[in-house]
Amino acid sequence: GAVVSQHPSRVICKSGTSVKIECRSLDFQATTMFWYRQFPKQSLMLMATSNEGSKATYEQGVEKDKFLINHASLTLSTLTVTSAHPEDSSFYICSARVIGEQYFGPGTRLTVT
Amino acid sequence: EDKVVQSPLSLVVHEGDTVTLNCSYEVTNFRSLLWYKQEKKAPTFLFMLTSSGIEKKSGRLSSILDKKELFSILNITATQTGDSAIYLCAVSFGGATNKLIFGTGTLLAVQP
Repeated sequence: GAVVSQHPSRVICKSGTSVKIECRSLDFQATTMFWYRQFPKQSLMLMATSNEGSKATYEQGVEKDKFLINHASLTLSTLTVTSAHPEDSSFYICSARVIGEQYFGPGTRLTVT
Repeated sequence: EDKVVQSPLSLVVHEGDTVTLNCSYEVTNFRSLLWYKQEKKAPTFLFMLTSSGIEKKSGRLSSILDKKELFSILNITATQTGDSAIYLCAVSFGGATNKLIFGTGTLLAVQP
């Protein structure tokens, strides 16, 4: 099956700093990737749809200036959490769409102190 | 408003029991319904359902979709402790983007 990787798997940063999370499709090209966040004991919430070569589409309530998404190539999308605050601490998961199915990366645990 | 609702929110059973997890949805331009199992990391794919009344099976797991009543069930027979996880239902809908909206999830705990 299709493999999606994320890096880093875990990151701790100080409040006010920015953190970049990478999402890569390893054995296929993905024109569309998705970014989700998941709080403890809650379901996945779609944050944005990342389109290669164009601007991301953000879901209602997600600040585009805070969560910067770049999909520079067919195998890489990045999510940058800018000026992180403790309430941004969460599990961030990306996925890539392949012929109607979505394959998920292993997730990135972000802790903001 | 598009939404996906799962029930129960949590469930505790003993090994060998059979469980049924429910997922109902209201979305525009439905495409497919997917079931995922999530343990400690990202969800792993179980089933994708697009047609009503056709059961999909994989070992002890099976699932079926009812597009008239807008729901799906996931059955697990002869449960094992390794089945303990969060089970997520997601619906794919809309236009070309084909994004997913996830349900609240069902936390299943299987006790020895």
